[in-house]
Amino acid sequence: EIVLTQSPGTLSLSPGERATLSCRASQSVTSSYLAWYQQKPGQAPRLLIYDASNKATGIPDSFSGSGSGTDFTLTISRLEPEDFAVYYCHQYGTLPLTFGGGTKVEI
Amino acid sequence: EVQLLESGGGLVQPGGSLRLSCAASGFTFSSSAMNWVRQAPGKGLEWVSIISGSSGTKYYADSVKGRFTVSRDNSKNTLYLQMNSLKAEDTAVYYCANAPAIFGVIGGWGQGTLVTVSS
Repeated sequence: EIVLTQSPGTLSLSPGERATLSCRASQSVTSSYLAWYQQKPGQAPRLLIYDASNKATGIPDSFSGSGSGTDFTLTISRLEPEDFAVYYCHQYGTLPLTFGGGTKVEI
Repeated sequence: EVQLLESGGGLVQPGGSLRLSCAASGFTFSSSAMNWVRQAPGKGLEWVSIISGSSGTKYYADSVKGRFTVSRDNSKNTLYLQMNSLKAEDTAVYYCANAPAIFGVIGGWGQGTLVTVSS
């Protein structure tokens, strides 16, 4: 099983600041099949990034993904109030599919 | 627009059974792989199961293997999860979610249905 470790667990920032979230895999992620999701309280997750660096439909340009192999990063270039949420990485290249433990971005 | 609507959650005693359903619309259901993903209260996301569009391929997390069974009825655009021998640790919100293939990104999510296992 590929274990995804997200860091930091919590990121305390202010609107307008840059957020850098890390996701490290215990083994190489096949074909960079790595996605990022945003989840707000009481809501289902929302797809942000797929295949490590491709933005999903309707996702603002402030969100970007990078990385390959075992190290991946989600960057939010300038935090908007609505960006404060929990973010999960997810690998879908190897069964069992797995999710990271999440990073909470808080004010 | 992808729409997924789960139902069937509720309170069940340990050792009991429950069947979840997920009604799908807005995409070609029979061509899509479908997942169940759960989230225990205050915890992160845990993948549970996946089924291919033809039902020919099914996979389960070790935590539910032998107790849960995923199935689908493409004529009704509906996904199911039969959950038997339920344990307290199965308590979670259960989401259904679609993907283009077994090894495809999960794109659309339902709103979830809460399953509580407690005496």
